Amino acid sequence: EVRLVASGGGLVQPGGSLRLSCVASGFSFRNHWMEWVRQAPGKGLVWVSHINSDGSSTNYADSVKGRFTISRDNAKDTLYLQMNSLRAEDTAIYYCADIFSDCWGQGTLVTVSS
Amino acid sequence: DIVMTQTPLSSPVTLGQAASISCRSSQSLVHSDGRTYLSWLQQRPGQPPRLLINEISNRFSGVPDRFSGSGAVTDFTLEISRVEAEDVGIYYCIQATQFPWTFGQGTRVEIE
Repeated sequence: EVRLVASGGGLVQPGGSLRLSCVASGFSFRNHWMEWVRQAPGKGLVWVSHINSDGSSTNYADSVKGRFTISRDNAKDTLYLQMNSLRAEDTAIYYCADIFSDCWGQGTLVTVSS
Repeated sequence: DIVMTQTPLSSPVTLGQAASISCRSSQSLVHSDGRTYLSWLQQRPGQPPRLLINEISNRFSGVPDRFSGSGAVTDFTLEISRVEAEDVGIYYCIQATQFPWTFGQGTRVEIE
């Protein structure tokens, strides 16, 4: 069974940091581009970041550039999102996904609040 | 950045009737490789999104044939030929031609 399991979300104060993880199973993770997509409560989908299959190329939404870092460990079948300098507007469910293979994690909720 | 504009934002439909959603991009979505990376996703309440269509009109595995996509360059359409109760949700277009990838605002499909 193809599966992505995201973790690492939680409550953090403005200016704080969190590291999200996403463990893949059931498919050849090392051959797939991966994304982080977020969704604020009651709002639409927002693409956050992309990484290519070997991790050599990354891209970010303007709203997170310089604050978030996407990475992957293909030996561990794991995708990461390091989030620094968090703001209230970063509050959202964060999904890891291979969008074009229709593989999505269940999402992990990040709440930025004092 | 490429802006994706969906219309309508809400679409009440009668069971068995057709629904149509438009997605327009602020720039051409034709990639330098000649392909057009415009996809459609469905998000049912409380669930992660689900891929329906890739590259304008290629239905993803397992997607019912009542879903179809069409269009070119900057104007794209998702059509549901005969809406069923399970089609209730929010539909998004996304362009992956140019970074940053961008979603449309979403169109809510609900049963009248």
